[in-house]
Amino acid sequence: EVQLVESGGGLIQPGGSLRLSCAASGLAVSSNYMSWVRQAPGKALEWVSVFYVGGDTYYADSVKGRFTISRDNAKNTLYLQINRLRVEDTAVYYCARSVVSYGSNEYFDYWGQGTLVTVSS
Amino acid sequence: DIQMTQSPSTLSASIGDRVSITCRASQGIDTWLAWYQQKPGKAPKLLIYKASNLQSGVPSRFSGRGSGTEFTLTISSLQPDDYAIYYCHQYSTYSRTFGPGTKVEVK
Repeated sequence: EVQLVESGGGLIQPGGSLRLSCAASGLAVSSNYMSWVRQAPGKALEWVSVFYVGGDTYYADSVKGRFTISRDNAKNTLYLQINRLRVEDTAVYYCARSVVSYGSNEYFDYWGQGTLVTVSS
Repeated sequence: DIQMTQSPSTLSASIGDRVSITCRASQGIDTWLAWYQQKPGKAPKLLIYKASNLQSGVPSRFSGRGSGTEFTLTISSLQPDDYAIYYCHQYSTYSRTFGPGTKVEVK
């Protein structure tokens, strides 16, 4: 059974930094495309970043230059380093296993329960 | 960026009703569209991928169709477990955008 468990969220002041973790079981992060998707309170979902199997990474324009996605294959864990946090980054952050088809980007078939990041002074 | 719209934003329906939700893309996305169901406080759940493919384990009362810019999610006979918010998601372009959601509520 695939399980994705996020952690690392919390209350942080604007301008601060945070590292989110997503511990995987039932799948290997090293051989899967893995993404972060966020959802601001009461709002729609927003794709944030993806880590491709081969090591390529991609980011939404809204987070490019501030967020860094990474993985630790030995710990089977995906990370999201978030720097220079803004109030508008307040959201539940989900990690998700991503499925890629030739000629397209990813959809998401397994999701974690999410971790809440609140940016406020 | 491709913009996704959904209609209606809220849908009131009764158990057993046939329910349809429309998702429109601001430009053509072939069939690179997924549908998710989300309940309060829970993670989204994948229902449909590539516009019309039912995800394993999803009840057959859910179906999807469409291509290009217009897509539809249909629930053939609404069940109590189906009251939720439904999101479409285009994964054709880099921006990988989601629709604003359609809430299916009790009539």
